[in-house]
Amino acid sequence: DADVTQTPRNRITKTGKRIMLECSQTKGHDRMYWYRQDPGLGLRLIYYSFDVKDINKGEISDGYSVSRQAQAKFSLSLESAIPNQTALYFCATSDLSSTEAFFGQGTRLTVV
Amino acid sequence: QKEVEQNSGPLSVPEGAIASLNCTYSDRGSQSFFWYRQYSGKSPELIMSIYSNGDKEDGRFTAQLNKASQYVSLLIRDSQPSDSATYLCALDTGRRALTFGSGTRLQVQP
Repeated sequence: DADVTQTPRNRITKTGKRIMLECSQTKGHDRMYWYRQDPGLGLRLIYYSFDVKDINKGEISDGYSVSRQAQAKFSLSLESAIPNQTALYFCATSDLSSTEAFFGQGTRLTVV
Repeated sequence: QKEVEQNSGPLSVPEGAIASLNCTYSDRGSQSFFWYRQYSGKSPELIMSIYSNGDKEDGRFTAQLNKASQYVSLLIRDSQPSDSATYLCALDTGRRALTFGSGTRLQVQP
């Protein structure tokens, strides 16, 4: 089993719908991240959390929210999905001593 | 100016050759540098980290860091078709999360 698990792996949703992407990890890491990847733009940080009570916006947080339900779980929500949120989404984790990130398998989201 | 710049490629090299991938960055406060490999449709996988000036070797991979010139590079010796992927440069600017470049696509021709 993967150390960082994302669900769902693929999702097609309609404009205006609320959608949640989930991430869970068994690495025991405190830090968790959500990144978005678009062709030619690399990975861009949406939100990050250093513990259950710590939530921080990244460079592209507009239109997104997150919840850190437990040390091992970090979910990303799109309150009202729009087509330009179509992308590949990655959850990642790191431990306290390093920013070296370990990635989940990714969620391919399509908003139609 | 982007924080992390990479040539998007594709960089095409013949099998057995040395592939050289480069990355420049703008924040002089950056302390930690990483190279990730990403196959199409897959998640990024860490292949090298480097923290101090100079070279760091791991098997066929060598990372090179020059903080004064603000560049980090990755050399892949004896390139194999299985090395064909996108290589992402990432660095820690002290803002608590990695900043990534857009990646260089490498094609190794058999």
